[in-house]
Amino acid sequence: DTGVSQNPRHKITKRGQNVTFRCDPISEHNRLYWYRQTLGQGPEFLTYFQNEAQLEKSRLLSDRFSAERPKGSFSTLEIQRTEQGDSAMYLCASRAPYTDTQYFGPGTRLTVL
Amino acid sequence: DQQVKQNSPSLSVQEGRISILNCDYTNSMFDYFLWYKKYPAEGPTFLISISSIKDKNEDGRFTVFLNKSAKHLSLHIVPSQPGDSAVYFCAARVGANNLFFGTGTRLTVIP
Repeated sequence: DTGVSQNPRHKITKRGQNVTFRCDPISEHNRLYWYRQTLGQGPEFLTYFQNEAQLEKSRLLSDRFSAERPKGSFSTLEIQRTEQGDSAMYLCASRAPYTDTQYFGPGTRLTVL
Repeated sequence: DQQVKQNSPSLSVQEGRISILNCDYTNSMFDYFLWYKKYPAEGPTFLISISSIKDKNEDGRFTVFLNKSAKHLSLHIVPSQPGDSAVYFCAARVGANNLFFGTGTRLTVIP
């Protein structure tokens, strides 16, 4: 069990550019979650998938954000036309069926210049 | 609307003593609570959890207490070790859904 992995670990981009992050959950974890964490705050929920279905989206997830999990395994989070306010740590977590605990990856730190 | 609150941004404790981290919540529908530990530049690491049907859960040096009437939970670390120095987040969940996190408490264990 290698844990949740996220790539890239760091991303620096210019305002207006598009970025895409990837999350590989723990094998056989059917639920996958995306969170965002800014300085001094706890993680805030963005969206989650059960298998390939996106079941819930936070109001934080503006229309510039899109997430996919096409085959129910890895997931991508894309931010279009990035803004400086998008600078944050983007965290992915996964959870096994019939269990309660979400396990987090190391995160992708996004800096928008 | 912060549904989970950690009112102490920081806590310093001597090595070997007890660390007590507190968390309050407002949503009475929360049915599962977790504590995570976070080092800089890493994702949160799961520590310990408790279901709303229990009032205590223990795992080695870590014990979580839940007081539903007061909507309060606490994490006790005994004895505290320098390696416990990190930011601790309290989180709560309704059903099978997403977690609501507090803002964290930075614990420093002084050797």
